[in-house]
Amino acid sequence: DIQMTQSPSSLSASVGDRVTITCRASESINRYLNWYQQKPGKAPKLLIYSTSSLQNGVPSRFTGSGSGTDFTLTISSLQPEDFATYYCQQSYSNVALTFGGGTKVEIK
Amino acid sequence: QVQLVQSGAEVKKPGDSVRISCKASGYPFSTYYLHWLRQAPGQGLEWMGVISPNGYGTGYARNFRGRVSMTKDTSTNTLYMDLYSLRSDDTATYYCARDSDIRRGDFFDLWGQGTLVTVSS
Repeated sequence: DIQMTQSPSSLSASVGDRVTITCRASESINRYLNWYQQKPGKAPKLLIYSTSSLQNGVPSRFTGSGSGTDFTLTISSLQPEDFATYYCQQSYSNVALTFGGGTKVEIK
Repeated sequence: QVQLVQSGAEVKKPGDSVRISCKASGYPFSTYYLHWLRQAPGQGLEWMGVISPNGYGTGYARNFRGRVSMTKDTSTNTLYMDLYSLRSDDTATYYCARDSDIRRGDFFDLWGQGTLVTVSS
């Protein structure tokens, strides 16, 4: 199975900060990379699909980039509602969809 | 309202089986692939498998093959997931999720609220 590695596993940031989360695949996944946000006790929410396409209703401060094995999720100006855990997910191998371990974004 | 509503929490013993349901509403049920995923307490997300729009095709993650069955009842717009031979490490919140693309994109734009399954002797 394709392994997805996120870094950092957690970070502390302030409102207004620019935040970048990285995700690395164990082999090339082209641009089949998606990002989710999860808040405690809630189901994940799709933010970005196919590396850089913003899901309907998601604020434009969220952007995604990358290709091959290295990808990033950037929050341009962190808002109070953005404190959550973020997961990347590859959809290249449709017999074994896999997720990164998550990045918890906490308030500094 | 477009939503997936799952059945309630379950407590099972090792060796038991569990069936979780997921009722869809607000969109054409037989148009989208549906997936099951799970999340152990404090852990990340794990994909379990997928069922085709008509319910005739399934694909299961290697870790669950032989121990899981996914079915759907199009007359009631309900998806089911049966997990057999439960172990303590099956304790998790289980989610149904809709594929974002009717051609199967393998990412998930609509999620159920989750069902906590606790396996304990």
